[in-house]
Amino acid sequence: GDSVTQMEGPVTLSEEAFLTINCTYTATGYPSLFWYVQYPGEGLQLLLKATKADDKGSNKGFEATYRKETTSFHLEKGSVQVSDSAVYFCALSESGNNRLAFGKGNQVVVIP
Amino acid sequence: GAGVSQSPRYKVAKRGQDVALRCDPISGHVSLFWYQQALGQGPEFLTYFQNEAQLDKSGLPSDRFFAERPEGSVSTLKIQRTQQEDSAVYLCASSWGKETQYFGPGTRLLVL
Repeated sequence: GDSVTQMEGPVTLSEEAFLTINCTYTATGYPSLFWYVQYPGEGLQLLLKATKADDKGSNKGFEATYRKETTSFHLEKGSVQVSDSAVYFCALSESGNNRLAFGKGNQVVVIP
Repeated sequence: GAGVSQSPRYKVAKRGQDVALRCDPISGHVSLFWYQQALGQGPEFLTYFQNEAQLDKSGLPSDRFFAERPEGSVSTLKIQRTQQEDSAVYLCASSWGKETQYFGPGTRLLVL
């Protein structure tokens, strides 16, 4: 079945550092890809999405490019802030199928 | 406007008890989803409604789990004879058709 794999373990980095969180997927069709973020004490929020190959999603300084050739959707931000500390989930939705399949999530901690 | 709301936010149940979890979707959203999120994991799909019709219940882990949405708005997820392995956060999401899913804050269920 469809699945999403995120890099293992939490990510700890200093303010203004560059952030990358890896995400790869397995799908039989042409999925839409998403990054969701969960801030402490809050619900899941959509951060960005891309619906077809080579699309770039962006929001709040975060970017991710839909790479069909490498089946990846890595999340990047050039200069993180303490307020970016949260759990980040990569997810996919197969065409014709409404449900989301999520990765395990990555805890990101930004230290001042 | 109001987002997705869920109640109760926290529920402690003794093993063997029945529980009912409520979801109020965003007004006018046709689609409603339930997900289960175990500690340290990403959300896992349980079931999907379009209006009052339950179109996909393939993610429900056992016949102890039952969901309904009788009038096409509020939904209830019921778990009968709860077991310790049912302890998790139960997330509800709604969307307008196949568009972005908006998540509620979740109900944290602890079965003792």
